[in-house]
Amino acid sequence: QSVLTQPPSASGTPGQRVTISCSGSSSNIGSNYVSWYQHLPGTAPKLLICRNTQRPSGVPDRFSGSKSGTSASLAISGLRSEDEADYYCAAWDDSLSGRVFGGGTKLTVL
Amino acid sequence: QVQLQESGPRLVKPSQTLSLTCTVSGGSISSGSYYWSWTRQPAGKGLEWIGRIYTSGSTKYNPSLKSRVIISVDTSKNQFSLMLSSVTAADTAVYYCARDADSSASDYWGQGTLVTVSS
Repeated sequence: QSVLTQPPSASGTPGQRVTISCSGSSSNIGSNYVSWYQHLPGTAPKLLICRNTQRPSGVPDRFSGSKSGTSASLAISGLRSEDEADYYCAAWDDSLSGRVFGGGTKLTVL
Repeated sequence: QVQLQESGPRLVKPSQTLSLTCTVSGGSISSGSYYWSWTRQPAGKGLEWIGRIYTSGSTKYNPSLKSRVIISVDTSKNQFSLMLSSVTAADTAVYYCARDADSSASDYWGQGTLVTVSS
């Protein structure tokens, strides 16, 4: 059971907008930055969003992050087939004094 | 461009110690205010943070692994290492090293290495 809660799956058709949620608590999301990763099988995770809303260089602006209270969301607009991957949220947890990940959301592009 | 590469035995026997090294190239491990971390992913499961180290030697570990983990750094070799003792089959996973831009953001990752615990 992960400290951060994500839906196990999400789906959408090409061109659609999809949102993935990440729920935590006051000791993690509520008081620290949230990051989002895209993970394709056999590859290293890729940082999509840092500091709740910031996109590292090279990440398309189709990807956006938001945070409110103890929850965060990743939105993907203009969905493409290559977006089919696992997505993870992460945050520092002050109580655990460590980084925690969500359980991951498998995104399927129909 | 910073690059990271994991190395070490791919097969470890139960009860023994898993040892991996991450070699950083394209920049000094001591430059900038970065932490250096290890994360793993067992087959069919999600990502699990193992711990991190600063070049000063300061460390933080996942509480669930803390009693078995040591992360160290060798700035002269531009490397940092992971040791996980008393391993069991549950420690079989792909292990990744990474550079941390902040407490939750790892911006550069190694390709990952599968370590299998089996007799």
